[in-house]
Amino acid sequence: DSGVTQTPKHLITATGQRVTLRCSPRSGDLSVYWYQQSLDQGLQFLIHYYNGEERAKGNILERFSAQQFPDLHSELNLSSLELGDSALYFCASSASLNTEAFFGQGTRLTVV
Amino acid sequence: AQTVTQSQPEMSVQEAETVTLSCTYDTSESDYYLFWYKQPPSRQMILVIRQEAYKQQNATENRFSVNFQKAAKSFSLKISDSQLGDAAMYFCAYRSFSWNQGGKLIFGQGTELSVKP
Repeated sequence: DSGVTQTPKHLITATGQRVTLRCSPRSGDLSVYWYQQSLDQGLQFLIHYYNGEERAKGNILERFSAQQFPDLHSELNLSSLELGDSALYFCASSASLNTEAFFGQGTRLTVV
Repeated sequence: AQTVTQSQPEMSVQEAETVTLSCTYDTSESDYYLFWYKQPPSRQMILVIRQEAYKQQNATENRFSVNFQKAAKSFSLKISDSQLGDAAMYFCAYRSFSWNQGGKLIFGQGTELSVKP
């Protein structure tokens, strides 16, 4: 158990819908990262939050957004979902840039 | 921009034997971290080993060791005494030392390792 909790584990939704993925980092970790793993794109960095502030963005679609709350949990919001958004979404947390990132178990999103 | 390449989509090893997974990367930075992550069928991403670029000594963790060649930008993973539980997808990853890069991991395409009994 990495200490990073993601909910839900599985999500099935229809095209055009909006979903929210939740991540609770390890106790004390200030950084939260979101990654997308798909068959065609591999593991892609989406966004990084540090202590409530956005620090870096990857190839995140405009339909996607994220935030980190004062209690340090984070949410990834995916809207106007398309079939191609079906993927495994990982959250990872780390104490700082100089420490390794620990991953949650991921949320498997299926868009039908 | 940094890139990570794993040229072996699949590898196979006999139980108790040794296998080496290859990884090359491209960067203009001098300070960075390199990692190997394991992803078993459960899909959990598990950190296997980490190497700081400023350290000349190769990292080791029990049966796992790396061969870090900074000039060649090569970072291979050696698994000794392979066990059935080592069967998984292995990802090589790069992380910049720079705060401006935000600490993101850049992953290779992965190598699927199978272990034969």
